Amino acid sequence: AQTVTQSQPEMSVQEAETVTLSCTYDTSESDYYLFWYKQPPSRQMILVIRQEAYKQQNATENRFSVNFQKAAKSFSLKISDSQLGDAAMYFCAYRSRGNTPLVFGKGTRLSVIA
Amino acid sequence: DAGITQSPRHKVTETGTPVTLRCHQTENHRYMYWYRQDPGHGLRLIHYSYGVKDTDKGEVSDGYSVSRSKTEDFLLTLESATSSQTSVYFCAITGQGFEEQFFGPGTRLTVL
Repeated sequence: AQTVTQSQPEMSVQEAETVTLSCTYDTSESDYYLFWYKQPPSRQMILVIRQEAYKQQNATENRFSVNFQKAAKSFSLKISDSQLGDAAMYFCAYRSRGNTPLVFGKGTRLSVIA
Repeated sequence: DAGITQSPRHKVTETGTPVTLRCHQTENHRYMYWYRQDPGHGLRLIHYSYGVKDTDKGEVSDGYSVSRSKTEDFLLTLESATSSQTSVYFCAITGQGFEEQFFGPGTRLTVL
């Protein structure tokens, strides 16, 4: 079974600075998807970014980018120019190819300091 | 907005009572999922459905049952609620590209 580990329960960053959230996973599969979801205080789960394992190029979405290291099974999220609205819980998630359920990490709570 | 609603959004109930949570989608997607979220655990899969009347168990299915009699509705039932089922429950569907999942707004359930 696949597992996802987020080793940082809490992180903080100064506004306008850059922060990196860590995620590692364990799988024997070669083709899969990885995701970062954001959960603000509203509780809504919001997709931040996704990465297909077969793509070597790291995904980027505006201020959000990932560092995908397939051999190391590592998938970190970098947030640049942090904003107050980035404060939230961030979940890393894994999904096999096909319509399989997501496997989540336990989350990292990010605080942004003005 | 992926067109997923959950009802009720909040519920307080007593131990031993039955509870049914509803997930409704307007996207006509085949795959639907129920997760629960607890502090320190992230989201964990309870049950999922891959079509009308087709369901399967997830990691934390004990004490829960599901039903899907039509594409748009996926019901989660706690036959006899216990305090350990106090949680936030999320429904999700698979997106059009069959890659990411989109989530409903969640239901906060408190079992006293």
